[in-house]
Amino acid sequence: GAGVSQTPSNKVTEKGKYVELRCDPISGHTALYWYRQSLGQGPEFLIYFQGTGAADDSGLPNDRFFAVRPEGSVSTLKIQRTERGDSAVYLCASSLTGGGKLAEAFFGQGTRLTVV
Amino acid sequence: AQTVTQSQPEMSVQEAETVTLSCTYDTSESDYYLFWYKQPPSRQMILVIRQEAYKQQNATENRFSVNFQKAAKSFSLKISDSQLGDAAMYFCAYNGYGQNFVFGPGTRLSVLP
Repeated sequence: GAGVSQTPSNKVTEKGKYVELRCDPISGHTALYWYRQSLGQGPEFLIYFQGTGAADDSGLPNDRFFAVRPEGSVSTLKIQRTERGDSAVYLCASSLTGGGKLAEAFFGQGTRLTVV
Repeated sequence: AQTVTQSQPEMSVQEAETVTLSCTYDTSESDYYLFWYKQPPSRQMILVIRQEAYKQQNATENRFSVNFQKAAKSFSLKISDSQLGDAAMYFCAYNGYGQNFVFGPGTRLSVLP
């Protein structure tokens, strides 16, 4: 597609359930980023992929959060045993490279996760 | 670790006037990139302007320009001839090579008709 696509756009789940959030980056982009954004705040870094591997996962808040990018394209963010505090907008972005002159990050429209 | 600070949670400007949004950052690196992103209520983050740290010349994109002061680690955004469509959250962001993007807390800009 022409841009970064995130599905679903909205997800409501019950506390304790497992959820998966999907990100389709722009074709050819090697870098992929996940962020979490609470209402009225800036995006908070979760994890950054360069190709298939996680170059930096220091932002994952705890071991309930996990992300994969098995073929270096689509990525899935997985949250186990969801808690009400996980409610936020989860943003995905991709970049042609991991930095340098082509460092611009292109964002999807996010997935709004609500844990009830 | 790099940090980005935006000291103005909210700003307002009269339509057709000029407004400046402030941003400061902290880094020990000499080569990096700075960005201003706009986020309207639709949630879509849109790149407004970017600046390479090794360039002394300030970036300009139509009505948007920056004042980049590398020594002071300051990167402000000036919006000229403000339009109603400029109303949004504005985020300043830092990116070092091979690193994630670090965002500031944002400034909510209102444009008054």
